[in-house]
Amino acid sequence: AQSVSQHNHHVILSEAASLELGCNYSYGGTVNLFWYVQYPGQHLQLLLKYFSGDPLVKGIKGFEAEFIKSKFSFNLRKPSVQWSDTAEYFCAVNPLTGGGNKLTFGTGTQLKVEL
Amino acid sequence: DAGVTQSPTHLIKTRGQQVTLRCSPKSGHDTVSWYQQALGQGPQFIFQYYEEEERQRGNFPDRFSGHQFPNYSSELNVNALLLGDSALYLCASSYTLQTGSYEQYFGPGTRLTVT
Repeated sequence: AQSVSQHNHHVILSEAASLELGCNYSYGGTVNLFWYVQYPGQHLQLLLKYFSGDPLVKGIKGFEAEFIKSKFSFNLRKPSVQWSDTAEYFCAVNPLTGGGNKLTFGTGTQLKVEL
Repeated sequence: DAGVTQSPTHLIKTRGQQVTLRCSPKSGHDTVSWYQQALGQGPQFIFQYYEEEERQRGNFPDRFSGHQFPNYSSELNVNALLLGDSALYLCASSYTLQTGSYEQYFGPGTRLTVT
């Protein structure tokens, strides 16, 4: 069965530090990839997505992610985090064949940004 | 433009009882997916409805059933509740493209507590 691994469960950074959250998936076919964010007290929001084309995708609030097919990875990055980025981040995969039409999520990474 | 709405917000039930959760999709969306999010975990796919039929199902028992209405809204029913069913139940809506690619928009969820 397909799975999604997020290696960092809790990350603490100071403001202005750079962020990289890892995401690896186990599925060999064509996939759509997503990062969702859940701010405290709010619902899941789409941060960015990859469907096809340029493997470097840009999302909202200065976030970007790079799809590396050979590594089955879709890592999330931000050059300089802000206190308001404190949230839980989820990587999700949708395989377009076989088990398509459903998202498989990682367990999430809790990010805390300190002033 | 209203996003995905869910009702009720919170629910407390006793073991063995039955529960119905409701979801209205984002305007223009025709597909509804349901997820269960246990504490400290990522959302897990329950099933997806499209054109009033269950299109895809995750690894959940038959106690979990659903329905989609002609106006695209949906219900999730859980019978014979167990303590382990306590979780946040998320509804997500999307518009299915011919390519199969789509992005899901999540509602705020219904917090179900089984005692």
